[in-house]
Amino acid sequence: EAGVAQSPRYKIIEKRQSVAFWCNPISGHATLYWYQQILGQGPKLLIQFQNNGVVDDSQLPKDRFSAERLKGVDSTLKIQPAKLEDSAVYLCASSLGGGLAGVQETQYFGPGTRLLVL
Amino acid sequence: AQSVAQPEDQVNVAEGNPLTVKCTYSVSGNPYLFWYVQYPNRGLQFLLKYITGDNLVKGSYGFEAEFNKSQTSFHLKKPSALVSDSALYFCAVRDSRGGSYIPTFGRGTSLIVHP
Repeated sequence: EAGVAQSPRYKIIEKRQSVAFWCNPISGHATLYWYQQILGQGPKLLIQFQNNGVVDDSQLPKDRFSAERLKGVDSTLKIQPAKLEDSAVYLCASSLGGGLAGVQETQYFGPGTRLLVL
Repeated sequence: AQSVAQPEDQVNVAEGNPLTVKCTYSVSGNPYLFWYVQYPNRGLQFLLKYITGDNLVKGSYGFEAEFNKSQTSFHLKKPSALVSDSALYFCAVRDSRGGSYIPTFGRGTSLIVHP
């Protein structure tokens, strides 16, 4: 089966510009995650969707970050305006189930988008 | 708040020798524990997980991990290391108790297997 797809793979922007990332999860997966992975650190959850609803966005900097998952399939993550500290790899992951059962499930990760803010 | 600690930034081992990558955790309820591996310029790949039951969990590529509740640890092990095992390894935990069940990842441990 096809894995989690992300685009673009690399992006370089200047601070105060805006940027958007796209994720297509594995077909049929109800839950979608966006993570930020800063160099030398583990992934940090930004937002979790179940179908097209937000499960948790407590760690999403909402003054500049936004995300949506229209129709419960593809998702986009946007940063506007970007800051230097947003330079990181943005990972998208998906898992089959949702709710309490989904907590126990394996997450399947995409290759990530590497963002450099100058 | 839940947390995960990977106390070693780097582990060096000779090919053919056993390897251990350490992970300790803190949660308020019962833990769901995961190990993932990351190769350069690639996303994370699942290795194994502990949800309930047998404390020794076997996973992909010959890896295994032992859940130790009293020591709140979930160390990753392999009896005989391969050069191709060299990668970045992440431990993650989710709490069975709580409203959002946010997954928390450790900082990662770089495993270097020498020929």
